[in-house]
Amino acid sequence: QQQVKQSPQSLIVQKGGISIINCAYENTAFDYFPWYQQFPGKGPALLIAIRPDVSEKKEGRFTISFNKSAKQFSLHIMDSQPGDSATYFCAARDSGGGADGLTFGKGTHLIIQP
Amino acid sequence: EPEVTQTPSHQVTQMGQEVILRCVPISNHLYFYWYRQILGQKVEFLVSFYNNEISEKSEIFDDQFSVERPDGSNFTLKIRSTKLEDSAMYFCASSGTENEKLFFGSGTQLSVL
Repeated sequence: QQQVKQSPQSLIVQKGGISIINCAYENTAFDYFPWYQQFPGKGPALLIAIRPDVSEKKEGRFTISFNKSAKQFSLHIMDSQPGDSATYFCAARDSGGGADGLTFGKGTHLIIQP
Repeated sequence: EPEVTQTPSHQVTQMGQEVILRCVPISNHLYFYWYRQILGQKVEFLVSFYNNEISEKSEIFDDQFSVERPDGSNFTLKIRSTKLEDSAMYFCASSGTENEKLFFGSGTQLSVL
């Protein structure tokens, strides 16, 4: 119930292409969905986040698409650059609290080839 | 830009020893967290702390773990008697709103031998 399932596990995209990472959840009490970017040896850094009352949010080259009925959300990176190569985690927050803080997906290792 | 700082960056300890991991959260944040990440796996929630007490804790956060905010700026995680399976990267985080817009530190890599 508290899981967030993330795919793919790894992704290789050519420079300038679109990177797409998908996440799915079951818990309808989730009310906040952030994406984090993590470089080797660093902590996760908040990239962009969305609430379920909107279907899309865009910040620069990064867009979250949210499908409430399907309980899915995805991160799109437009014009992908080598500097975007990192591990990306989706996450979700349970509005009812509970003992889980933010629930993270297992991560996607993204490589942008020059 | 404000940041969460963690010390040490690496900690090696013998099984059964106590370790204290230290964090300085962002100064105007009210919520503090510890997460951990076993190599190659997802980030897992341990505990959240607000108003000088634990607000949430996961099943991982058993009696061997404790947190403290001893002086209004530092936030510490103590593992009383370390086990091999405690080896992980431990991240401190802070936020101004509960479980929202978390800022993570760079982590402490704990190795239990």
